[in-house]
Amino acid sequence: QVQLVQSGAEVKKPGASVKVSCRASGYIFTNYHLHWVRQAPGQTFEWMAWINTGNGDTKYSEKLQGRVTITRDTSATTAYMELSSLRSEDTAVYYCVRGHASGGYYAFQHWGQGTLVTVSS
Amino acid sequence: DVQMTQSPSTLSASVGDRVTITCRASQSISSWLAWYQQKPGKAPNLLIYKASSLQSGVPSRFSGSGSGTEFTLTISSLQPDDFATYYCQQYTNYPLTFGGGTKVEIK
Repeated sequence: QVQLVQSGAEVKKPGASVKVSCRASGYIFTNYHLHWVRQAPGQTFEWMAWINTGNGDTKYSEKLQGRVTITRDTSATTAYMELSSLRSEDTAVYYCVRGHASGGYYAFQHWGQGTLVTVSS
Repeated sequence: DVQMTQSPSTLSASVGDRVTITCRASQSISSWLAWYQQKPGKAPNLLIYKASSLQSGVPSRFSGSGSGTEFTLTISSLQPDDFATYYCQQYTNYPLTFGGGTKVEIK
C-alpha cells in the first residue's frame, strides 16, 4: 500500500531554516508528482509546491517563492522540503501529498502523517 | 488565485440528518473539485474527486455535485463517525486552493 512517512517535529528560531523529509513506498516513486501542503493551527490548507519526481522539475507558490526549495532523492524514494528565513507565521503542520492519478488533474489521495514545525524565539 | 468559499463554516446536526455543504469558486474550475474530511490531529481523507466521483472505500452516503463555480457535498444520513471538518479544494489552477472548512458538530 502507498505510504508517505515524514520526519519528526521541529522547533526552530525565527530566521532559521527547516528541512522536512517524506519517504515514499508502495508505488513507483518517479511515476507521481509529490506536493507539499501546510496547515497553520486552526486554519485551512495552503498549497506550497510540487516536484516532478521523475525529472526534478518544481513549481512553487508565488507567496513562498525564494524561501521554499523542494528536492528529491530517487534512490531513497524520498522528497525534501526546505523552508528558510522562518517566521512565526510559518508555524504549521506540513504535509507531503500524492495524487490519486499520475497525470493530468488529480486530487490528493495519499497524505503523509504531517510534521509540526514550530517557530518560536 | 481561485478563491474557494465554503458555507456554512459550522453546522450543527443530529445522527440521521441529511447534511449539505456548499463550495463556491471565484471562477470556473469545470469539475476539478475535491472534498476532504479531516478529524482532529489527523491528515485529511479524500472523499470525492472530480466533483462527483466517490473515492474507493468511502461510504455511499457521501455524494458530490456541481460544476463551474457551484458545488455541494451531501451526507444523506449523518453517522457518528461523520462529525469532522470538511474542506473543498480546486485542482485545476495554480496555486491550488482550499475552502475555509465546514465543521460538522453534534447538535
